[in-house]
Amino acid sequence: GDSVTQMEGPVTLSEEAFLTINCTYTATGYPSLFWYVQYPGEGLQLLLKATKADDKGSNKGFEATYRKETTSFHLEKGSVQVSDSAVYFCALSDWDGNTPLVFGKGTRLSVIA
Amino acid sequence: DGGITQSPKYLFRKEGQNVTLSCEQNLNHDAMYWYRQDPGQGLRLIYYSQIVNDFQKGDIAEGYSVSREKKESFPLTVTSAQKNPTAFYLCASKGGGRGTDTQYFGPGTRLTVL
Repeated sequence: GDSVTQMEGPVTLSEEAFLTINCTYTATGYPSLFWYVQYPGEGLQLLLKATKADDKGSNKGFEATYRKETTSFHLEKGSVQVSDSAVYFCALSDWDGNTPLVFGKGTRLSVIA
Repeated sequence: DGGITQSPKYLFRKEGQNVTLSCEQNLNHDAMYWYRQDPGQGLRLIYYSQIVNDFQKGDIAEGYSVSREKKESFPLTVTSAQKNPTAFYLCASKGGGRGTDTQYFGPGTRLTVL
């Protein structure tokens, strides 16, 4: 079945450092790919998405590119802030969008001033 | 504003009691989902429903029950058969079919069994 693997955390960075959180997937067909963010005590919020190969999703300085050749969707940000401290989840939706999203296990990011 | 509401935010129950968690959406979404999240863990799917009056078990349905009598509502009952119910419960919804594949989440309910 479909699956998502993302790097284990926690990840601790200093403010203004470069962030990469790796995400790879296994799926049949052409899934859509997502990054969600969860702040402490809250639900998940959609951060960005990409629906086809070579698409780049971006939001709030975060970016991720859908790489079909490497089955990857790595999350990047050039300069993190303390307010980016959260748990980040990579997810995929199968090609027809009619089944629940498949989530990675989440990566906790802590940014220190 | 459109969105998903979950109530209450914090819920306490005594061991052996059933408790129902509310989830309501006004996004006109066909599909709704319940997830469980334990501290420092990822999401685990409990139940989901793609249409009114129909629902399917997820990965950890034992000890839980749901109903979907209205499009807007998908309540989750945590029964006394659930051995370790203390957790954070998240409800989500999405529209149907390709092109509407983004799931939107509610704020969650934290259940504590005393």
